[in-house]
Amino acid sequence: ETGVTQSPTHLIKTRGQQVTLRCSSQSGHNTVSWYQQALGQGPQFIFQYYREEENGRGNFPPRFSGLQFPNYSSELNVNALELDDSALYLCASSRGPGLARDTQYFGPGTRLTVL
Amino acid sequence: GNSVTQMEGPVTLSEEAFLTINCTYTATGYPSLFWYVQYPGEGLQLLLKATKADDKGSNKGFEATYRKETTSFHLEKGSVQVSDSAVYFCALSDPDGNQFYFGTGTSLTVIP
Repeated sequence: ETGVTQSPTHLIKTRGQQVTLRCSSQSGHNTVSWYQQALGQGPQFIFQYYREEENGRGNFPPRFSGLQFPNYSSELNVNALELDDSALYLCASSRGPGLARDTQYFGPGTRLTVL
Repeated sequence: GNSVTQMEGPVTLSEEAFLTINCTYTATGYPSLFWYVQYPGEGLQLLLKATKADDKGSNKGFEATYRKETTSFHLEKGSVQVSDSAVYFCALSDPDGNQFYFGTGTSLTVIP
């Protein structure tokens, strides 16, 4: 059984640019959640995708957007990058959308650096 | 709003010592509570969870009890091992299950 995979591993961008991060969910999982983890902090919930639609969102501005595809993989897009967007971005997949009920399985993350 | 506060680290213990990592929460309604662990070089993984008041989650010798009266979910282990060295995160999910909140993490190092 393949676990959650993310690409790329590392990424360097310039302020104002746009970035797309990718996540493949674990086999049998139909829900993907995205988190931002700044250095020395806990992950912060960005949003969740279920059945190709956003199913919950944390306190992040609209320039953070996402997609989920029919195979349940997902993309996180960030527009107009700011220096504070530098962080580890984690993707987690689960069997269903209930974060209170369905265990999340995390990928290794994508390290984004904004210069 | 919802939030999780956990004790600051780092924590250093000798092997076989007793471990407590404190976690308190603020939430509306009845959240579900979790402990996640991140071992060196590995991704976050669920350690244990509790979904209602007075529930006890347990796994790998770790335990935590959901205390609504003190809004706490402290992590305990009676005898830690070197292999328990990791960063531990307390977390909660709102009752609707569409928001998730992590604490800042507590780094534990167990020395032989």
